[in-house]
Amino acid sequence: AQKVTQAQTEISVVEKEDVTLDCVYETRDTTYYLFWYKQPPSGELVFLIRRNSFDEQNEISGRYSWNFQKSTSSFNFTITASQVVDSAVYFCALSVHTGSARQLTFGSGTQLTVLP
Amino acid sequence: SQTIHQWPATLVQPVGSPLSLECTVEGTSNPNLYWYRQAAGRGLQLLFYSVGIGQISSEVPQNLSASRPQDRQFILSSKKLLLSDSGFYLCASDRGTDSPLHFGNGTRLTVT
Repeated sequence: AQKVTQAQTEISVVEKEDVTLDCVYETRDTTYYLFWYKQPPSGELVFLIRRNSFDEQNEISGRYSWNFQKSTSSFNFTITASQVVDSAVYFCALSVHTGSARQLTFGSGTQLTVLP
Repeated sequence: SQTIHQWPATLVQPVGSPLSLECTVEGTSNPNLYWYRQAAGRGLQLLFYSVGIGQISSEVPQNLSASRPQDRQFILSSKKLLLSDSGFYLCASDRGTDSPLHFGNGTRLTVT
């Protein structure tokens, strides 16, 4: 069985601060994908990034960066110079292959509030 | 890129009434389709997924059902709603396990 843990339920930062959202996962599969999604107050889930289990390179996209470490089963997400528009719930998710359809396991989410 | 349409955006229904939520996908063919529910507390729960027309897999036994009458149409139904069916229902789609899962804007259901 798969499990994703986001230990931080809520985080508040002041605008322009850096913030890291933690994600720890569990799986016995050797092939898997990790994801981050953003859910703003409007409710839709916005895809941010996907990383497969064989690619441990860190990735940077603008103010966003992701640190994937298989040794600690973690896939942490950092927002640099946070902005008010970054306020949202952020979900980490894990999927393994089960035939042709995905079994995606979500963490419980981290509510990020960026204060002006 | 694919676009997922869900309607209605919000719905208030009395206990015992039927339910029909519709999801359609544009910009892709033969997608995998999913229904998720997000209850208070934010956890996302996979309810159903479908790899093709008429093929439905249920993840959680409950009084909900799903159908896929067309390639890009996915319907979530109930004959009699329960209070516990209240939540935020999200339809999602992907092209396979190597592609990202994209979500619709969701339907907020309140059962009174």
